[in-house]
Amino acid sequence: DADVTQTPRNRITKTGKRIMLECSQTKGHDRMYWYRQDPGLGLRLIYYSFDVKDINKGEISDGYSVSRQAQAKFSLSLESAIPNQTALYFCATSQSSTSTQFFGPGTRLTVL
Amino acid sequence: EDQVTQSPEALRLQEGESSSLNCSYTVSGLRGLFWYRQDPGKGPEFLFTLYSAGEEKEKERLKATLTKKESFLHITAPKPEDSATYLCAVQAFSGGYNKLIFGAGTRLAVHP
Repeated sequence: DADVTQTPRNRITKTGKRIMLECSQTKGHDRMYWYRQDPGLGLRLIYYSFDVKDINKGEISDGYSVSRQAQAKFSLSLESAIPNQTALYFCATSQSSTSTQFFGPGTRLTVL
Repeated sequence: EDQVTQSPEALRLQEGESSSLNCSYTVSGLRGLFWYRQDPGKGPEFLFTLYSAGEEKEKERLKATLTKKESFLHITAPKPEDSATYLCAVQAFSGGYNKLIFGAGTRLAVHP
């Protein structure tokens, strides 16, 4: 089945450490997104990419960076993790011809 | 400011007890409204897209409707397996791109 996968699924780290979250998709979609989810808040967009050479900031990009290594791979980095980056992180994909986004299973990140 | 509000935050139903979830929105230029289901520890799963007032979509026990200011997700004769968090998102053109604005979700618990 065409799918969106994320690694790792769970990660505990310490303040100041560099962390990379990875997303891969076999859906053949050209657009990819990174969101974070916090209790009581809606999903918020961190970065999005419409193709390999196109990367854009979302509403909460401070403290994060991304890399689109290939059409199927989009990684999110926290250069120096801080406790308020503790959250659920989701990768999503969509086809440029449609609006519907399909989500991965998420990564639970805890920064101590 | 573009905003999506879901109510209630949590809903407890007995099996077979029909009810509705609400998603109200204020956006400048609605491009579409999406409903997702999210199970604990998983990513959001796409349910429906609605594009214009008066439109309805159905899937098993779920029916989504759309007006100019809100959407309802009607659940008819729910079963325990319908227990999940239901997320609403609106697509609006803002900041130079079509972005999804998510509500915080409604947590539904259906008891036997």
